[in-house]
Amino acid sequence: GDSVTQTEGQVTVSESKSLIINCTYSATSIGYPNLFWYVRYPGEGLQLLLKVITAGQKGSSRGFEATYNKEATSFHLQKASVQESDSAVYYCALRAGGYKVVFGSGTRLLVSP
Amino acid sequence: EAAVTQSPRNKVAVTGGKVTLSCNQTNNHNNMYWYRQDTGHGLRLIHYSYGAGSTEKGDIPDGYKASRPSQENFSLILELATPSQTSVYFCASGDVGANSDYTFGSGTRLLVI
Repeated sequence: GDSVTQTEGQVTVSESKSLIINCTYSATSIGYPNLFWYVRYPGEGLQLLLKVITAGQKGSSRGFEATYNKEATSFHLQKASVQESDSAVYYCALRAGGYKVVFGSGTRLLVSP
Repeated sequence: EAAVTQSPRNKVAVTGGKVTLSCNQTNNHNNMYWYRQDTGHGLRLIHYSYGAGSTEKGDIPDGYKASRPSQENFSLILELATPSQTSVYFCASGDVGANSDYTFGSGTRLLVI
């Protein structure tokens, strides 16, 4: 079946430093999946950070970027300069067709002052 | 503002008891979903619905039932709660389009003792 693998556990980054959270996927359905990054801030539900539905395209939001690389089956999340307010849990996800979105296990980002 | 509201936010239940988790959406989305989130796992799909009166099994439906009495409401029912069902539960709604994403509730933290 479809699956998503992302950087496990917690990532700690100093404020103003760069960030990368790795995400790779496996989609068994025909065609290219839609790819998403969701974020969950403390005490809140998941919210969409960015999505890309076309292979080769880049999505961006709030200073975060992710490029849909179909050759590498990757969708890494990057930010050039993180802030304390970016501390949250980030989930990579895909939809390979139909109703179902498959999520990675989540990566907790802690930005230290 | 369109939203997904879950209740209760926190719940303590006894083993063998019945638990009902409620979800209400004002997005006018046809599809609704129940996920659980456990440490080390991504969000795992329990049940979903295409519209009022419909419920479908997700990837981990055992021990759970669902009810969709209206477009707005989708409940998750644990008839005989077990400690293994201790988790954080998320409800989401989504449109039917292939490129649509989800709107999530804030989650319900369930402890079964």
